[in-house]
Amino acid sequence: GAVVSQHPSWVICKSGTSVKIECRSLDFQATTMFWYRQFPKQSLMLMATSNEGSKATYEQGVEKDKFLINHASLTLSTLTVTSAHPEDSSFYICSARDQTETQYFGPGTRLLVL
Amino acid sequence: AQSVTQPDIHITVSEGASLELRCNYSYGATPYLFWYVQSPGQGLQLLLKYFSGDTLVQGIKGFEAEFKRSQSSFNLRKPSVHWSDAAEYFCAVGGGAQKLVFGQGTRLTINP
Repeated sequence: GAVVSQHPSWVICKSGTSVKIECRSLDFQATTMFWYRQFPKQSLMLMATSNEGSKATYEQGVEKDKFLINHASLTLSTLTVTSAHPEDSSFYICSARDQTETQYFGPGTRLLVL
Repeated sequence: AQSVTQPDIHITVSEGASLELRCNYSYGATPYLFWYVQSPGQGLQLLLKYFSGDTLVQGIKGFEAEFKRSQSSFNLRKPSVHWSDAAEYFCAVGGGAQKLVFGQGTRLTINP
């Protein structure tokens, strides 16, 4: 149980385009999901908290207009990187929190912006 | 403020040897404590968690951790490591509906 999926696992795009990443909790409902960014050989950096049916809460320094988050259902949250630039290239990981307050993580999405 | 310290950035042990990864935390209330493992290019997998009760917690893959309130520690242990245990290990603290705070991670290398 407690499986979280992410799609796509890999994406390459041109500078200026937008990219959408999906995060799904497959076998439990999650009113709260989280989006993290991870740089090579570093820990996870929380970008935003995604709440079902309401606006996301962004961490300080994260541009909400750049990283659009939608949590339309109890099993799906999406992160859209708008007008992506090479500096947005990174490993993006989502997590979903279950009713025991435990976060389960997706496998990650590697984004490369050319 | 909440914080997590993993003092060891990189640890190397021989296959079959015992392992202990250190984690110290700072948290104002009763913490929820977690250990996650990350293989290269992958997401994080939950190894074990402590919320309350027995301070010695058993997890998956033969790992265990002990919560010591007096030392603000939650060290991860395994009696005999396998080559497949080579990965990055993250300790995290949170509480209730609070977001998780992660340590910087400890990279584990296994010598054959």
